[in-house]
Amino acid sequence: EIVLTQSPGTLSLSPGERATLSCRASQSVSSSYLAWYQQKPGQAPRLLIYGASSRATGIPDRFSGSGSGTDFTLTISRLEPEDFAVYYCQQYAGSPPYTFGQGTKLEIK
Amino acid sequence: EVQLVESGGGLVQPGGSLRLSCAASGFTFSSYEMNWVRQAPGKGLEWVSYISSSGSTIYYADSLKGRFTISRDNAKNSLFLHMNSLRAEDTAVYYCARAGVFSSSFDYWGQGTLVTVSS
Repeated sequence: EIVLTQSPGTLSLSPGERATLSCRASQSVSSSYLAWYQQKPGQAPRLLIYGASSRATGIPDRFSGSGSGTDFTLTISRLEPEDFAVYYCQQYAGSPPYTFGQGTKLEIK
Repeated sequence: EVQLVESGGGLVQPGGSLRLSCAASGFTFSSYEMNWVRQAPGKGLEWVSYISSSGSTIYYADSLKGRFTISRDNAKNSLFLHMNSLRAEDTAVYYCARAGVFSSSFDYWGQGTLVTVSS
């Protein structure tokens, strides 16, 4: 089973700043089958990025994903107030289990 | 509009059983792989189970140890999760999630249904 480790656990930034979230896999994630989700309190997760770098439908271009192999990054170029939430990475390569990282909480500084 | 609506959650005693349902609409349900994901209170996301579009291929998280059964009824656009021998640690919000046709990432999620296992 591939284990995903996200860092930092909590990130404190101000609106307008740039956010960089990391996701490291215990083994290579084939074909960049890596996704990022955003979850706000009381809501279901929302798909942001799939295939490591492709934005899902309707996701603003301030969200971008990069990386390959075992190291992946979600970048939010200029934080908007609505971006403060918890972010999860997930690998979905091949057959399940489709594991999630433990999450990074992005909070307002 | 794609919609996934879970139901069937509630309070159940340890050792009890529960069946969750997920009603799908707004897309051709029979063409999509589906998953269940759960989230314990204040915790992260945990993948639970997967079922292929036809229902012929199924996977479970190892931690479930054969207590859960996923199924689907494509004629009724419905996904199910039968849960047996429930434990306190199964307490969570359970989400059904659709896997995208071009990417198996989870592109649509239901609002979730809360399962509480307690005496």
